[in-house]
Amino acid sequence: TQLLEQSPQFLSIQEGENLTVYCNSSSVFSSLQWYRQEPGEGPVLLVTVVTGGEVKKLKRLTFQFGDARKDSSLHITAAQPGDTGLYLCAATNFGNEKLTFGTGTRLTIIP
Amino acid sequence: DAGITQSPRHKVTETGTPVTLRCHQTENHRYMYWYRQDPGHGLRLIHYSYGVKDTDKGEVSDGYSVSRSKTEDFLLTLESATSSQTSVYFCAISVGGDYGYTFGSGTRLTVV
Repeated sequence: TQLLEQSPQFLSIQEGENLTVYCNSSSVFSSLQWYRQEPGEGPVLLVTVVTGGEVKKLKRLTFQFGDARKDSSLHITAAQPGDTGLYLCAATNFGNEKLTFGTGTRLTIIP
Repeated sequence: DAGITQSPRHKVTETGTPVTLRCHQTENHRYMYWYRQDPGHGLRLIHYSYGVKDTDKGEVSDGYSVSRSKTEDFLLTLESATSSQTSVYFCAISVGGDYGYTFGSGTRLTVV
């Protein structure tokens, strides 16, 4: 079982600021996904990255997959209160349909 | 609207009693999963299914069993509930590959 470490665990910033959260492992992933979870609900898929070095943008969110396929980052530009939530990364091994999740970054955007 | 529902949403039960949680999907997805979410541990896989009557264990399967007799239903049973099984349980579905999971809204289970 590969371990996914997310940092920071908690992040609280003012509305309008930029931020980056990280997901790291010593193992190589076949693909990596980012989810956002709000209180009382299940995680919701934001993006899947599958190619080393890949960058995907979703409005103000930019996701990057490391060249070595061992790490990923999520950058949010001009954070808004609606971005508040628990951000989870999750990864699969080659040929394995099971996702392993990191413990998450709890993000709070202060209006 | 996501095509996956969990029941019940909340349950309180006594130690030693059996408990069954239900996950129902209308998406006809092949793969179904049960996770538990606990502070400091994140989401951990309990059991999963890759088809009708095809199931396998995850990393925290002790004390749990599952059944999938139809594509749309995946049941999780706590054979004899313990306080350590107090948690939020999530079901997820997937078509496989890199398409990601769709999660249910969760069941908050308290064992007293």
